Amino acid sequence: LAKTTQPISMDSYEGQEVNITCSHNNIATNDYITWYQQFPSQGPRFIIQGYKTKVTNEVASLFIPADRKSSTLSLPRVSLSDTAVYYCLVGISSGGYQKVTFGTGTKLQVIP
Amino acid sequence: NAGVTQTPKFQVLKTGQSMTLQCAQDMNHNSMYWYRQDPGMGLRLIYYSASEGTTDKGEVPNGYNVSRLNKREFSLRLESAAPSQTSVYFCASSERYKNTEAFFGQGTRLTVV
Repeated sequence: LAKTTQPISMDSYEGQEVNITCSHNNIATNDYITWYQQFPSQGPRFIIQGYKTKVTNEVASLFIPADRKSSTLSLPRVSLSDTAVYYCLVGISSGGYQKVTFGTGTKLQVIP
Repeated sequence: NAGVTQTPKFQVLKTGQSMTLQCAQDMNHNSMYWYRQDPGMGLRLIYYSASEGTTDKGEVPNGYNVSRLNKREFSLRLESAAPSQTSVYFCASSERYKNTEAFFGQGTRLTVV
């Protein structure tokens, strides 16, 4: 199982771009990188998933270097409502989520 | 869109009591999961069902049993609740053979006294 390491917490002011980096040195060839967001008292919610290079959707971008040993979730112009815990997951392949572990995530606090 | 529905949302049990947490999904997903989340921690997998008719242990299965009643429903049973099982429980579902997202329920907050 690929182990991930991400910062425990981050603070950012409203309107700034936030980059959260996740390290996953032993990522396997078939592993995808997936990020989830969790608000207090709610279940996690999918943000973005990628395999290599760059993926962008309406809420975030995911940057993955060629060696795939790390990835960076980029949230443009954060607002107070982006205050949440962000989880980096590695290992989702055709087998489903049973081989994936949620770490403690990165607690992002957006400051007015 | 209901997605993943869990019942109940809150429950208080006395030590030794039993209960079943219910989960249903309406997305026709093959795989379903039960997680627990303790304060300040990430989610830990209790049991999962890769497809209808199969169930397997996850990281922390002790003290729990599961039933995949049909493709839609996956229940989690505590036979004899213990204070250490005080936690928030999340059910999730996903497609089995796709690199895709998992959908989570809103959680069941369980307190065992």
